[in-house]
Amino acid sequence: EPEVTQTPSHQVTQMGQEVILRCVPISNHLYFYWYRQILGQKVEFLVSFYNNEISEKSEIFDDQFSVERPDGSNFTLKIRSTKLEDSAMYFCASSGRTSGRAGTQYFGPGTRLTVL
Amino acid sequence: GNSVTQMEGPVTLSEEAFLTINCTYTATGYPSLFWYVQYPGEGLQLLLKATKADDKGSNKGFEATYRKETTSFHLEKGSVQVSDSAVYFCALGSNRDDKIIFGKGTRLHILP
Repeated sequence: EPEVTQTPSHQVTQMGQEVILRCVPISNHLYFYWYRQILGQKVEFLVSFYNNEISEKSEIFDDQFSVERPDGSNFTLKIRSTKLEDSAMYFCASSGRTSGRAGTQYFGPGTRLTVL
Repeated sequence: GNSVTQMEGPVTLSEEAFLTINCTYTATGYPSLFWYVQYPGEGLQLLLKATKADDKGSNKGFEATYRKETTSFHLEKGSVQVSDSAVYFCALGSNRDDKIIFGKGTRLHILP
């Protein structure tokens, strides 16, 4: 069964450093997402991406964050200058199209980001 | 705005007990409803979904019925197993945008 994959599984970085989290969505999906889950809290939407552009973003997704689909298979989340509060589990998700709009979202296993 | 409220955990049950995890939602329009499960050390897996009122989603012995009149989507299982121990998230997908809104999650412990 096709699945979303994410690398690395755990990333440790120093405050102020740039990090890039990588995701390979399910191959025929068209919609891509990032969510995050701070330890012990709920999963929060960050951004959605369709047709090579951001379709929606949350208040969390400020100028320090960016997303990119650099080739036909990868979808990346970049944090330009990490802060302690960026420590969280980051989930990538993808969905296909159902009746003209995005279908069910399937999630990857997550990347645990630890900012020291 | 849209929101999801689910019962606080942790919930501790003995094996073969009946499980209910309550979930209610607030939404405009006609959302899709989901239950996701997160096993220890793993990511989010879609457990079941329902896309319209009175639909019943089911998978692995779990069921949930989309109740528009009570704005609820309670998760049930007739006989839980130790392997069901996980965190369960009720979630809502709006038909106006693509983001999913999650509840806070309910941790379930099943004792042998």
